[in-house]
Amino acid sequence: AQTVTQSQPEMSVQEAETVTLSCTYDTSESDYYLFWYKQPPSRQMILVIRQEAYKQQNATENRFSVNFQKAAKSFSLKISDSQLGDAAMYFCAYRSGGGGADGLTFGKGTHLIIQP
Amino acid sequence: SAVISQKPSRDICQRGTSLTIQCQVDSQVTMMFWYRQQPGQSLTLIATANQGSEATYESGFVIDKFPISRPNLTFSTLTVSNMSPEDSSIYLCSVAAGGTSTDTQYFGPGTRLTVL
Repeated sequence: AQTVTQSQPEMSVQEAETVTLSCTYDTSESDYYLFWYKQPPSRQMILVIRQEAYKQQNATENRFSVNFQKAAKSFSLKISDSQLGDAAMYFCAYRSGGGGADGLTFGKGTHLIIQP
Repeated sequence: SAVISQKPSRDICQRGTSLTIQCQVDSQVTMMFWYRQQPGQSLTLIATANQGSEATYESGFVIDKFPISRPNLTFSTLTVSNMSPEDSSIYLCSVAAGGTSTDTQYFGPGTRLTVL
């Protein structure tokens, strides 16, 4: 079974600064997908970014980028120019490749605090 | 992405009763998923619902406790049966969608259930 580990229960960053959230995972599969989701107090799960394991290039979405190290099974999220609206729980998630029939395995989450 | 709605958004129920949660999607999707998020915890997959077949349950979840219906490609229900206070959680449905890719899951707003 796959496992996802987020070792930072809470992180704090000054507004406009950069912060990196860590995620490691364990799998024996070669084909899989990795995701970062954001959950603000409204509890809505919002997709931040996704990465296909077969792609060497790190995914980016505006201020959000990942550092995907497949050999090390590491998938960190970097948030640049942090904004107050970035404050939320961030969950790293794993999904097996192929067909879309598999659910997600989530890490325990990191609570991100933005200091004004 | 898909637009997903859930009803009810929240409910307070007495132990021993049952609650049915509805999930509606604005487009046809093959796979729908139900997750539970216990207070202060991460998300755990309950089951995967494919239209026209029995739902597939994850370890620790059984059909008698969490019966699921999937009558068509845009709708699903999850029933939490014979509830106890331990069932107090947020229940979220999600779908695999996204243009030609079913590799990304999008979530509904969740149903916050409190059992007294």
